[in-house]
Order: sequence, then C-alpha cells, then structure tokens
Amino acid sequence: GIQVEQSPPDLILQEGANSTLRCNFSDSVNNLQWFHQNPWGQLINLFYIPSGTKQNGRLSATTVATERYSLLYISSSQTTDSGVYFCAAGYNQGGKLIFGQGTELSVKP
Amino acid sequence: DVKVTQSSRYLVKRTGEKVFLECVQDMDHENMFWYRQDPGLGLRLIYFSYDVKMKEKGDIPEGYSVSREKKERFSLILESASTNQTSMYLCASNEDEKLFFGSGTQLSVL
Repeated sequence: GIQVEQSPPDLILQEGANSTLRCNFSDSVNNLQWFHQNPWGQLINLFYIPSGTKQNGRLSATTVATERYSLLYISSSQTTDSGVYFCAAGYNQGGKLIFGQGTELSVKP
Repeated sequence: DVKVTQSSRYLVKRTGEKVFLECVQDMDHENMFWYRQDPGLGLRLIYFSYDVKMKEKGDIPEGYSVSREKKERFSLILESASTNQTSMYLCASNEDEKLFFGSGTQLSVL
C-alpha cells in the first residue's frame, strides 16, 4: 500500500518566520490532503490538493504528483499555527487515506 | 460549514465493557470513517462506510465493529473493551474526497 512520510518531524519557529513542510508518498495518488491538528486535538482540513498549487491566506500547498511529493508553506507564522500538520494520501479508494506521522510545529512569540 | 459531531469528548470504561462511540454528520455525506490516533503511530483507519448498512474493514478492524443504520450516523462498537483500546477515536466524513473530522473521543479503558 501507499506509504506517506513527512519531514521534519518537529519544527520550532519564531513568530513571523516562514517554513516549508514536506510530504513524500510512495505510489501514485489521486487524493492528497493536508490537515492541522490544534492543541485541543481538532483536525482541520487545510487543503485538498492532488496536484498543482493552492493558496489560502498565509498558507499554500504544492503537489508534484509525478515526483511523489507535496509541500506545505506557512508564511509569517503565528502562535496559533502551532500544532501538528498531517499529510494524507490515497488512490481511488473512495476517500480512504493513509496518514503520515505528522510534523509538530511550535511557534514561539 | 460541515459539522461532524462525536457524542463524547472523554470516556472512561472498564475492561470487558461494551462501548459505543457515536458520530453524526449533518451534510448528507455518503462516506464516513473511524480512525484511532496513538502517539508514535499516527492515525489508523479502523472501519469505513460508503452507504447505509454498508461497511468495510480498514487497516486495524480487530476488536471493533460498526453500525450505519442511517446515513447521518456511524457508530463504532467495542464488543469487549481492552486496555490496548485506550486511544483517541476520530470520526470523519467526506465530500468530493475532502475529509472532515469530528473533535474526537478520548477513550480510557481501565
């Protein structure tokens, strides 16, 4: 099955800094999503991005399906960006996704 | 906004008890999912459902069953709870492949 690997596992930033999170997947996918889990445990869907680039405010994501990776960019980070970021991938399985281990981000004031 | 509601935020049960975790979504989604999340293991799929009365096993179905009698409700059942089922349980539904999660139920089995 599909394997999903995320890097780095942990990241500490000063408020205002930019960061890039990476997600590698082992096989062809037609479903790639990014999530943010806040410190209270709620998982929020950030992007559905099987290919191409999308932007939402200070966040943007790019997936290069042919090279089997996706990147999540966070610009001008804020303390509220802290939490764990998950990448999840799937292929023709009705929305069934395999999750990476996550990147734990801590933004310091 | 999509809303996925899990009935309990925290739950404490005894070994051997039958446990029901309830999940309701209000957006008429066809697909619903149950995941569990454990430190160091990430999120793992337990069961999913594509339609009423329809279910499929995920990656770790052992010790669990599910019920989907109505489209909006998907229940996870622990027939005889064990301590290794202590975990965060997350319900989700999807629309056009995009997955939406409930707030989770932290289950402790003593």
